[in-house]
Amino acid sequence: GAGVSQSPSNKVTEKGKDVELRCDPISGHTALYWYRQRLGQGLEFLIYFQGNSAPDKSGLPSDRFSAERTGESVSTLTIQRTQQEDSAVYLCASSYGLDPYEQYFGPGTRLTVT
Amino acid sequence: QKEVEQNSGPLSVPEGAIASLNCTYSDRGSQSFFWYRQYSGKSPELIMFIYSNGDKEDGRFTAQLNKASQYVSLLIRDSQPSDSATYLCAVKITSYDKVIFGPGTSLSVIP
Repeated sequence: GAGVSQSPSNKVTEKGKDVELRCDPISGHTALYWYRQRLGQGLEFLIYFQGNSAPDKSGLPSDRFSAERTGESVSTLTIQRTQQEDSAVYLCASSYGLDPYEQYFGPGTRLTVT
Repeated sequence: QKEVEQNSGPLSVPEGAIASLNCTYSDRGSQSFFWYRQYSGKSPELIMFIYSNGDKEDGRFTAQLNKASQYVSLLIRDSQPSDSATYLCAVKITSYDKVIFGPGTSLSVIP
């Protein structure tokens, strides 16, 4: 079936505005992950969902970041009052869940905060 | 100590040579290990996963896992210029259902 999709592919926003990033996982994948990747850096774990629950929110950088998932499908990552340091590519990945664990990544959303 | 470590590189090898990429991890109980390839400006793509000690081969790629020494490696035989990319090691941490990525090793295969 279709792979992981993310929207928008690019987002330019002014400092202080809120943004919403969307992820559609592969159908049937129960686990969903959000990562942040700054230019030239590795992947920084943000949050993961098992079903609609988020057992581990430890990676969220601040309380300006939140995420939700509904219907064990679509997930939205919201960044409030964006700052320039939020500029990065935000990657979503999904997997079947507990076993196997292999993650498949979406194309990412490139966020630029001006 | 970071949970997953890799040499940042860049690692340069001539075309046709064997490229060896290494990764160490801190959580002794980790069970699942992955190698991803990421081309510049693209998303990571899964190359291999390995769960058991020893070697796992898939075409030109071989993953090696040594849990006692807490390292996992990726060998690329007959390296091609198209293998030039950043290679990310990822480890599933025992206590959590999350996967931690290393910082990646940049590989350059010189024609």
